[in-house]
Amino acid sequence: EAGVAQSPRYKIIEKRQSVAFWCNPISGHATLYWYQQILGQGPKLLIQFQNNGVVDDSQLPKDRFSAERLKGVDSTLKIQPAKLEDSAVYLCASSLDPTGDTQYFGPGTRLTVL
Amino acid sequence: QKEVEQDPGPLSVPEGAIVSLNCTYSNSAFQYFMWYRQYSRKGPELLMYTYSSGNKEDGRFTAQVDKSSKYISLFIRDSQPSDSATYLCAMSAGTYKYIFGTGTRLKVLA
Repeated sequence: EAGVAQSPRYKIIEKRQSVAFWCNPISGHATLYWYQQILGQGPKLLIQFQNNGVVDDSQLPKDRFSAERLKGVDSTLKIQPAKLEDSAVYLCASSLDPTGDTQYFGPGTRLTVL
Repeated sequence: QKEVEQDPGPLSVPEGAIVSLNCTYSNSAFQYFMWYRQYSRKGPELLMYTYSSGNKEDGRFTAQVDKSSKYISLFIRDSQPSDSATYLCAMSAGTYKYIFGTGTRLKVLA
């Protein structure tokens, strides 16, 4: 079974630029999550999708971050404009359903904002 | 006070040692308890998943949950250099929302 795929793996941008990350979840997983993991910290949930609908985006900085999951499969997370404090690893995870089911993580995208 | 507390380490042990990793939490609603292993520059990989209190064993790994003390542990027996990684505990109250600890860096010395 293929795992969660993410691209790019690494990205370096200057502050105020924009950036987008892509995620392809495990086939058949209806629930998709985006996490932010700052160095030395655990992952923090940014947004959760159930199919193509948003379930929770309470911790997403909506003034600069946006995410979509068209057709309920792939998802993109965008930051515009980026700030220095956005430097982190952005992890995508998926699960079969949203109720306490195991979440499987992708390798992450490491973002450096200069 | 953070909802989940985890000693960041680093923890260095010799090969073959028994490793004990721990997390404490404050939210009594947590029912699901997970341990993830994260190698450098990789995503977290699920190691153990337990519901409510008790022990669960899988090979060299044992997870313990003590809900009365709000304390969970992961034991690694016969530790190997390949076990060197960051170990993250995660918890949820039965919903999608996982709360992660900061992770403990483990180094097993050959």
